[in-house]
Amino acid sequence: DVKVTQSSRYLVKRTGEKVFLECVQDMDHENMFWYRQDPGLGLRLIYFSYDVKMKEKGDIPEGYSVSREKKERFSLILESASTNQTSMYLCASSPGTSGSTGELFFGEGSRLTVL
Amino acid sequence: GENVEQHPSTLSVQEGDSAVIKCTYSDSASNYFPWYKQELGKGPQLIIDIRSNVGEKKDQRIAVTLNKTAKHFSLHITETQPEDSAVYFCAASNDYKLSFGAGTTVTVRA
Repeated sequence: DVKVTQSSRYLVKRTGEKVFLECVQDMDHENMFWYRQDPGLGLRLIYFSYDVKMKEKGDIPEGYSVSREKKERFSLILESASTNQTSMYLCASSPGTSGSTGELFFGEGSRLTVL
Repeated sequence: GENVEQHPSTLSVQEGDSAVIKCTYSDSASNYFPWYKQELGKGPQLIIDIRSNVGEKKDQRIAVTLNKTAKHFSLHITETQPEDSAVYFCAASNDYKLSFGAGTTVTVRA
C-alpha cells in the first residue's frame, strides 16, 4: 500500500515562529502536493512539485514556501507563522504520468494551531 | 482558474436510502472528475473518478454521472450503510492542479 506520512499530527506554534511540516511518501511518486483544509472551503492547493528541486505555486501560496531536496520528501515551510494559518494541512502524492489527473494519495494531515 | 461548487454541505439519510451530491465546475477544459471520501481523523481517499469522455461510471453502490454541456457531475450512493458516514469532496482538473469542492458531510442514520 502507498503510504504518505506526515511527521506531526498536531502542532501548536506562536505567531512569528518558523514552522516546518514534513511529508514522506514510500511509493517513488514524482508528484507531491500540499493542501490546506478549512471548514466550508474544502481543500486548497498551496504548492506542488512534479520533480526533485521543482516547485510550482498553487492557488494560495502566500506566506508559504516548500522544499523538495529528495524525491520522497516534500516540506512545507511557514517562514513566520500567523494566526490565519491555523488549519489542517494535507500532503499528497501521485505517480509521475498522472499529475492531478490520477489518484492522489493523502497523508492523515497535520493540524496546526498558531497562537 | 477552476471553481468547483458542491451541494449540499450536509446530508442526513436513513440507512438503506440513497444519497446524492451535486457539483458544478467553471472551466470547460476540465477533463477529470474524482470523488474523495474523508473519514474522521484520516486523509481523503479516492472512491471513484470519471473522465470527460464518459457519461456515467458505477462501482458497486456508488455511481458518478457527468454532464459536460451543463458542466455538472454528481455522486450517487445507493443502499447507504453506517460506514458511508463521512465527508465527501468532488474535484475537477485538466492539468496538475486539482480543484476541490467545499465538501459534503454525510450522516447515515440507523
